[in-house]
Amino acid sequence: NAGVTQTPKFQVLKTGQSMTLQCAQDMNHEYMSWYRQDPGMGLRLIHYSVGAGITDQGEVPNGYNVSRSTTEDFPLRLLSAAPSQTSVYFCASSYSGLAGADTQYFGPGTRLTVL
Amino acid sequence: GESVGLHLPTLSVQEGDNSIINCAYSNSASDYFIWYKQESGKGPQFIIDIRSNMDKRQGQRVTVLLNKTVKHLSLQIAATQPGDSAVYFCAETISSGTYKYIFGTGTRLKVLA
Repeated sequence: NAGVTQTPKFQVLKTGQSMTLQCAQDMNHEYMSWYRQDPGMGLRLIHYSVGAGITDQGEVPNGYNVSRSTTEDFPLRLLSAAPSQTSVYFCASSYSGLAGADTQYFGPGTRLTVL
Repeated sequence: GESVGLHLPTLSVQEGDNSIINCAYSNSASDYFIWYKQESGKGPQFIIDIRSNMDKRQGQRVTVLLNKTVKHLSLQIAATQPGDSAVYFCAETISSGTYKYIFGTGTRLKVLA
């Protein structure tokens, strides 16, 4: 049971490039989410999904796309990277996602730098 | 990661002493709170949670205290060990059908040998 896995661990992009951050979980969790973590700020929710085929926007969705074709995978796509997207990105999953209902498990993070 | 923690308040404690980490939460309607531990280069890890109908909850070597009057949460770690060195942050939410949490910025705990 690997839990929540993320790839890559580190990535450097040039402004305007696109890329996909991968996230997978093997706990059969319905809920998956993406957060970004910036200095001096708490985790902020980018997008989330309550099941395969269902996604919704979080607090800071602009510049990011997601899809959920399977229960296990929840990739985050940056369409045209900007320096403001330099951050550490965390994927998380939980059984239902309902606040207070069950525990969120976080992946190890992807450190992204946009030059 | 390290760059995220550069500007955090730091609490330094001697190994074996008790640690108290504080968190002021923002929404008086929040009724569920979590403490996370984040080690350098790793993702946040759940430590303990508490609901607003309680003012204290104990786990293994950790205790969370909730003061709703002043919107304050604290995490007490007993007999602090080197492995406790990490960033600790709280999260709050309203547990009525929402998927949203508000996360604090955190405190870095340094355990001195």
